[in-house]
Amino acid sequence: GAVVSQHPSWVICKSGTSVKIECRSLDFQATTMFWYRQFPKQSLMLMATSNEGSKATYEQGVEKDKFLINHASLTLSTLTVTSAHPEDSSFYICSATGTGGFYEQFFGPGTRLTVL
Amino acid sequence: RKEVEQDPGPFNVPEGATVAFNCTYSNSASQSFFWYRQDCRKEPKLLMSVYSSGNEDGRFTAQLNRASQYISLLIRDSKLSDSATYLCVVILRGNKLVFGAGTILRVKS
Repeated sequence: GAVVSQHPSWVICKSGTSVKIECRSLDFQATTMFWYRQFPKQSLMLMATSNEGSKATYEQGVEKDKFLINHASLTLSTLTVTSAHPEDSSFYICSATGTGGFYEQFFGPGTRLTVL
Repeated sequence: RKEVEQDPGPFNVPEGATVAFNCTYSNSASQSFFWYRQDCRKEPKLLMSVYSSGNEDGRFTAQLNRASQYISLLIRDSKLSDSATYLCVVILRGNKLVFGAGTILRVKS
């Protein structure tokens, strides 16, 4: 199957700093990438959908100025958590779709963010 | 009401047991249905799609009942390696996946 990588796999930062998470499709071109967040013992919640070269579409309740998404190429999307606070600590997972249909979302391994 | 609801479990079963998980969804316009598996601190992985006619993949059988807005997953002859969280996933429209909170399965020897 298609491979999606994320970097970093985990990060610990101080409150107020910004953190950038990269999501890459390694062996296919990702027309659409999705960013999810998962709090402990909860379901994955879609934060935003990004298409290459256009602005991301954010889900209701997700602050676009706090969670900056850039999808500059068909293989890379980045999520920047700006001015992170402890409540932003979570497991952030990206996924990508290629040409196989919208339901074939390939997930990255996730990034665990801890804000102190 | 949550869009996708699952019994969180955990389901603790011995090896070789048969176990069934249920899931209900609230939006009758939901288009597609899946079961994903998520291991601890890992990303979810597609287990199987779910169709009204029912589908089987080895020890796993999935069933959809559109009238009752109900999805099931049956695992036969449980293995230790089946221990994971099983996520019920629904596509409402377009390509947006909606995840249930997951059902924890623990298979013990």
